[in-house]
Amino acid sequence: QVQLQESGPGLVKPSQTLSLTCTVSGGSISSGSYYWSWIRQPAGKGLEWIGRIYTSGSTNYNPSLKSRVTISVDTSKNQFSLKLSSVTAADTAVYYCARDRGRGATFRGDYWGQGTLVTVSS
Amino acid sequence: QSALTQPASVSGSPGQSITISCTGTSSDVGSYNLVSWYQQHPGKAPKLMIYEGSKRPSGVSNRFSGSKSGNTASLTISGLQAEDEADYYCCSYAGSSTYVVFGGGTKLTVL
Repeated sequence: QVQLQESGPGLVKPSQTLSLTCTVSGGSISSGSYYWSWIRQPAGKGLEWIGRIYTSGSTNYNPSLKSRVTISVDTSKNQFSLKLSSVTAADTAVYYCARDRGRGATFRGDYWGQGTLVTVSS
Repeated sequence: QSALTQPASVSGSPGQSITISCTGTSSDVGSYNLVSWYQQHPGKAPKLMIYEGSKRPSGVSNRFSGSKSGNTASLTISGLQAEDEADYYCCSYAGSSTYVVFGGGTKLTVL
């Protein structure tokens, strides 16, 4: 059974960089034709797709966040990571990582992490 | 403002059927049969219920079904049960520039 777990600081100051890591267990991040995605959800609001990475390193990003987002993968640690720069209060949200079977097209998240709350505040 | 439009809320009684709509454009829902639906209970991660318009992942009840007509996708839940009460989100491929768009979510209340 594949499991995903987000980790990282729960509090980030405005203008700084938000950094989160998703650790995958129960299977190799390199096996299968999977993408690995990040999604976020502000409190009481809907889901927003942030972006995804394939194990080759190929990435796709939400155009509205593209200038501030970097997603990377470390296959040796079975992890992938999110960096979001120049954060503001609007970036406060629960951040989820997910395994994506959408083959680089749609998002088809079949396994999700439990989510981690990141608050942007001074 | 979300790219896909969903009703804010729907409700139904146990045993009834309900349908949640998800309206997009010819650039997303209308062009691809790549709509997925997610169920989210409070404080929990979303769960995939339908993918590629009408396919159910293993383990998802056949009470859940998906369809599409033009620029609008729909999720139908038949034989409503109390545990179906949750938020539901649609998601669509939107081409090789935008990639993925979500709906704003629909709160389902089982009366």
